[in-house]
Amino acid sequence: TQLLEQSPQFLSIQEGENLTVYCNSSSVFSSLQWYRQEPGEGPVLLVTVVTGGEVKKLKRLTFQFGDARKDSSLHITAAQPGDTGLYLCAMDSNYQLIWGAGTKLIIKP
Amino acid sequence: EPEVTQTPSHQVTQMGQEVILRCVPISNHLYFYWYRQILGQKVEFLVSFYNNEISEKSEIFDDQFSVERPDGSNFTLKIRSTKLEDSAMYFCASGRAGNTGELFFGEGSRLTVL
Repeated sequence: TQLLEQSPQFLSIQEGENLTVYCNSSSVFSSLQWYRQEPGEGPVLLVTVVTGGEVKKLKRLTFQFGDARKDSSLHITAAQPGDTGLYLCAMDSNYQLIWGAGTKLIIKP
Repeated sequence: EPEVTQTPSHQVTQMGQEVILRCVPISNHLYFYWYRQILGQKVEFLVSFYNNEISEKSEIFDDQFSVERPDGSNFTLKIRSTKLEDSAMYFCASGRAGNTGELFFGEGSRLTVL
């Protein structure tokens, strides 16, 4: 069974701080997506990473794909209250997405 | 910007009743999906649909579930006889490609089974 583990499960920090959340798998994935989900809404795609070692930037968010394609990280620089949400990673497996449980992020003003 | 729309946003039903959840995928997308998320739990894959047939389904998607694309724009999920444990957010998603590289999700339909 393929599993995605996300850590930490919960993170609460002050506005302006930096943070990193992680997504790890026991198996190699062909591609990995990061989503952000707000309460009562559907996941919104942030980025897809495909190549081992790939780094993608989305404003203050930096996504990295591990060289072995078994792990990924999301780094947020100078977090803002608007970054608050549930950050989910998901990997492509046989035309379906396998999801992590998410990191619940709260940014306090 | 095109988006996936879902109706109803919230449905309350009695156990044993049939429920139909509706989705309008993005118009030029060819691959359609249903996922569900029980409160506080992971998002779970239910079914994928392409070329008017199911391409993959999970263990959750048993005989009580069915999907249909009745008219070329709507994509529906039917639960024949709802159970308490069917209470969840149901998300529809669509994509251009079959490798789930870029999926667009609707805002979800919350199903509450009493």
